[in-house]
Amino acid sequence: SQTIHQWPATLVQPVGSPLSLECTVEGTSNPNLYWYRQAAGRGLQLLFYSVGIGQISSEVPQNLSASRPQDRQFILSSKKLLLSDSGFYLCASLLGRRWDTEAFFGQGTRLTVV
Amino acid sequence: AQSVTQLDSHVSVSEGTPVLLRCNYSSSYSPSLFWYVQHPNKGLQLLLKYTSAATLVKGINGFEAEFKKSETSFHLTKPSAHMSDAAEYFCVVRGLNSGGYQKVTFGIGTKLQVIP
Repeated sequence: SQTIHQWPATLVQPVGSPLSLECTVEGTSNPNLYWYRQAAGRGLQLLFYSVGIGQISSEVPQNLSASRPQDRQFILSSKKLLLSDSGFYLCASLLGRRWDTEAFFGQGTRLTVV
Repeated sequence: AQSVTQLDSHVSVSEGTPVLLRCNYSSSYSPSLFWYVQHPNKGLQLLLKYTSAATLVKGINGFEAEFKKSETSFHLTKPSAHMSDAAEYFCVVRGLNSGGYQKVTFGIGTKLQVIP
């Protein structure tokens, strides 16, 4: 089965600093990859999804960007963090073809912008 | 457009009483539906999934959910709540977006509190 590696687990960054969160996938090839954010007191919001290398779709306008330089690598970035970027960030992967497979999740990164 | 609505942000039940967590969805295509649970400071765990087979789906830890197409609902139930069930529960729909790509949409989550 798939394994999603996501790091770091926790991160405290000052306002205005850059951000790079990395997610890598093992055990499959050509997955669909997703970045979600869970802000305090809110549900999981889809930020970006990618169906292949270099292909990124953004769900909501924001201060963040995503890139997929390799098939099993998905990176979430920001040039200048805002206080509102604080939250729990989750990377997810699922196979593109089968409908009955579950999504696999990384353990998440808890980001606090101070 | 694809969406998921979890009708209750918080549910509180007494230990030993039934649990009902409500979920409605909308999708332009026949979707797959999932329930995930997230315990405090833990990752997401799959409880159960519906993928167009039996409409009553049994999951782990005694949970089950019934897919009702006419009501576009996928409510999660358990006959008797246990203290360890206290967590946040997410209803998830997997379908196609307008570009033909698979899209996974989460509900806002329901926090379940179990009172001793």
